[in-house]
Amino acid sequence: EVQLLESGGGLVQPGGSLSLSCTASGFTFKAYGMSWVRQAPGKGLEWVSALSGSGDNTYYTDSVRGRFIISRDNSKNTLYLQMSTLRAEDTALYYCAKHAGFSGGDAFDIWGQGTTVTVSS
Amino acid sequence: SYELTQPLSVSVALGQTARITCGGNNIGRTNVHWYQERPGQAPVVVIYRGSDRPSGIPERFSGFTSGNTATLTISRAQAEDEADYYCQVWDGTTVVFGGGTKLTVL
Repeated sequence: EVQLLESGGGLVQPGGSLSLSCTASGFTFKAYGMSWVRQAPGKGLEWVSALSGSGDNTYYTDSVRGRFIISRDNSKNTLYLQMSTLRAEDTALYYCAKHAGFSGGDAFDIWGQGTTVTVSS
Repeated sequence: SYELTQPLSVSVALGQTARITCGGNNIGRTNVHWYQERPGQAPVVVIYRGSDRPSGIPERFSGFTSGNTATLTISRAQAEDEADYYCQVWDGTTVVFGGGTKLTVL
């Protein structure tokens, strides 16, 4: 079964750091681009960052560039998101999502169930 | 930055046809994807590349893109179609989502 399982969410103070993980199973992980997508409480979907299958190409939304780092370990079938200098507006449910192909233009065909990040003092 | 505009809400009578639009500059030249998000569940792609339907998605879901508008059409709307719907494109460097449309089935 194709599956994505996120972990690492929690409560963190403003200015703090947190690292999310997404473990994939059921498909050839290294062949597909991956993204993190978040959803603030009561709000819509917001794309955060994407990474090519090889890990060579990274993309970020403007609000997180310089604060978040996306990476992957294809030997462990795992996607990561290192988040630093966190702000209250980063509070959201963070989804890991698989692109249907290797390109950022491909749809997200598999989503995890999400992990919640709360930034609050 | 590229923007996608969706109506906040659309209502449809049970069994009738719902149309949800997504506006964007020359969106007809891009691959548009549509997602359904039911409360408490992760999003699911219902249409990809403008008009392709993944396996397992009912045939009543269809998509069309032309000019500056992409349209998701849900024919013979069912109660289980009540959800939030998002359009999405890739602008070359970023993924862009529309603001989402809440579909209510009356």
